[in-house]
Amino acid sequence: TQLLEQSPQFLSIQEGENLTVYCNSSSVFSSLQWYRQEPGEGPVLLVTVVTGGEVKKLKRLTFQFGDARKDSSLHITAAQPGDTGLYLCAGGGYNTDKLIFGTGTRLQVFP
Amino acid sequence: EAGVAQSPRYKIIEKRQSVAFWCNPISGHATLYWYQQILGQGPKLLIQFQNNGVVDDSQLPKDRFSAERLKGVDSTLKIQPAKLEDSAVYLCASSLNRRSYEQYFGPGTRLTVT
Repeated sequence: TQLLEQSPQFLSIQEGENLTVYCNSSSVFSSLQWYRQEPGEGPVLLVTVVTGGEVKKLKRLTFQFGDARKDSSLHITAAQPGDTGLYLCAGGGYNTDKLIFGTGTRLQVFP
Repeated sequence: EAGVAQSPRYKIIEKRQSVAFWCNPISGHATLYWYQQILGQGPKLLIQFQNNGVVDDSQLPKDRFSAERLKGVDSTLKIQPAKLEDSAVYLCASSLNRRSYEQYFGPGTRLTVT
């Protein structure tokens, strides 16, 4: 069974701080996605990475796919209250379009 | 472009009652997914449709859960009878096709079973 463990599970920080969320697995994935979910809403796709070692930047967010395609990280620079939400990683397998979602990281950014 | 629509947004029922959820995917999206998200966890896939056919229902508790997508557009998910542990958010998502990386999620239906 493929599992994606995220850490930390909870993160509470002040506005302006930097943070990193990790997504780890013992399985290899063909792609890795990051979603943000706000209360009462469905997850919204932030980024998809498909190449081992790939780094993508989206404004203050930096996403990295591990060289071995088993892990990923999300780094937020100068966090803002609008970044508050549940961050989910999701791995895509080979020969399947099924996504395996991680355990989630709940981020709270205080003004 | 309209997003994925779901209804109702909230539902409270007693255990052993039945409930149904409805999903209207983004127009033109052939693939539709139903997920169950228990509070504080990531979504778990229940069933996946390609047009009106089932691609994967391996994690659907078939003794009480059923789903259909008769005309390849709208879909309904039913629980009968509900148990306390079914309390969760039920998310519907759609994607253009099975080769698309991007899934678009609806707002979900929050089910509380008392």
